[in-house]
Amino acid sequence: QKEVEQDPGPLSVPEGAIVSLNCTYSNSAFQYFMWYRQYSRKGPELLMYTYSSGNKEDGRFTAQVDKSSKYISLFIRDSQPSDSATYLCAGGYSSASKIIFGSGTRLSIRP
Amino acid sequence: DGGITQSPKYLFRKEGQNVTLSCEQNLNHDAMYWYRQDPGQGLRLIYYSQIVNDFQKGDIAEGYSVSREKKESFPLTVTSAQKNPTAFYLCASSIEGYTGELFFGEGSRLTVL
Repeated sequence: QKEVEQDPGPLSVPEGAIVSLNCTYSNSAFQYFMWYRQYSRKGPELLMYTYSSGNKEDGRFTAQVDKSSKYISLFIRDSQPSDSATYLCAGGYSSASKIIFGSGTRLSIRP
Repeated sequence: DGGITQSPKYLFRKEGQNVTLSCEQNLNHDAMYWYRQDPGQGLRLIYYSQIVNDFQKGDIAEGYSVSREKKESFPLTVTSAQKNPTAFYLCASSIEGYTGELFFGEGSRLTVL
């Protein structure tokens, strides 16, 4: 079993829709959780960072972590074509060398 | 602008040849990392270095080697011992001790023919 599981998609939604991306994880040691966005042929960039359980909002993006069910979510409101990318969830503990990534979900926003 | 520069962006090599990928950062970060990305798999850690002249193996170090002679530079050599070297390689850096953001370069795509 992978430590971080993520549906690879692809997921295609119309512009303006609310997008929900989800991951599950198995490592109880994870203390912090991240979502990275990766455009085609580029390196990932950090989108959201959450420490422990709870919600975090940044503009159109909301990250949720439920440690009791080991579930990580990212919501995108008013989705735009520029949001089309691969989204990687990740969990980690102790140091950056302990970050484990999911395989990524490919998202496409149709104009 | 601060960031991480990887070169070359695309590289083709024949089987059995060693290849060195360059990674340079001007973020003044102590820690640097090499990841490998394959379709359908998450990023997998190859090697990391928390300080100059020191580095540790990650989860898939076999067939790879690194050096860290300068704070700014962390080159990765893909040796002929690596059984399946064709992949997208990503270099990253972070503030040592900070369990947060990894800053990534734009990646190097290696194809072994």
